[in-house]
Amino acid sequence: GENVEQHPSTLSVQEGDSAVIKCTYSDSASNYFPWYKQELGKRPQLIIDIRSNVGEKKDQRIAVTLNKTAKHFSLHITETQPEDSAVYFCAAPFYKDNDMRFGAGTRLTVKP
Amino acid sequence: DAGITQSPRHKVTETGTPVTLRCHQTENHRYMYWYRQDPGHGLRLIHYSYGVKDTDKGEVSDGYSVSRSKTEDFLLTLESATSSQTSVYFCAISESRGQNSGNTIYFGEGSWLTVV
Repeated sequence: GENVEQHPSTLSVQEGDSAVIKCTYSDSASNYFPWYKQELGKRPQLIIDIRSNVGEKKDQRIAVTLNKTAKHFSLHITETQPEDSAVYFCAAPFYKDNDMRFGAGTRLTVKP
Repeated sequence: DAGITQSPRHKVTETGTPVTLRCHQTENHRYMYWYRQDPGHGLRLIHYSYGVKDTDKGEVSDGYSVSRSKTEDFLLTLESATSSQTSVYFCAISESRGQNSGNTIYFGEGSWLTVV
C-alpha cells in the first residue's frame, strides 16, 4: 500500500550514544522527506528535511541520509542528550494524491 | 512557531453531539489541513483545503466535514461524535503541497477531544 514504514517504534539509548531511525517509502516519485520531533503534549515540529537531489544533510547533531534506489531515508542523532527524548516522525509525499504520509513514529528515550 | 491557533484546546463531549474545532492562521498560507493523531497510527489526514471554499477528503474522512469561508480559518465538524473519534486533532498549514517547493507542513498546538 501507499504508506511510510518507520522503525524502530521505540528506541532507548544512553546519553552520548547515537540514535538512528529508518523510514521506507513506496512511491518512487517522492522527492521531499521531512522529519518531525514531538515532545510530550506538544505539536510536531520540523527538525530537518531533505530533497532527493542530495544524499545527506546535516544540522549540528542531527543528519538525514537518503537512498533513493532502496527507497529509504534515515535520521541520525549523535551525542544524544536527555532533551532529545521525544517521538520522531518521518514523512513522504505521494504523487498520486499529493498527500504527505507520516510514519507511525519512534519514541526515543535518552537515559542520563 | 508558525502562527496557527486551535480552539478549543481541550473538550469532553457526549456521544451523538456535534463538535466543531477551529483553526486560525496568520501566515496567509494557501493549504490548510486537519490531522488526527492516535497511538500506533502516527498522523493521518482527515480533510484539507486548497483555497476558500475548496476542500477535499483525506485518508480518514468518514464522520467529518470541513469548511473554509476565509483564507485564515478552517473548521472541522464532527456531526455526531462517536467514541472512535476520541483523539488529538492537529491543524496544519503549508504554502504548497506534495512534491512542490515550499511544501513544509507546520502544525498547530493540537486539540484534545474526548467523546464519552
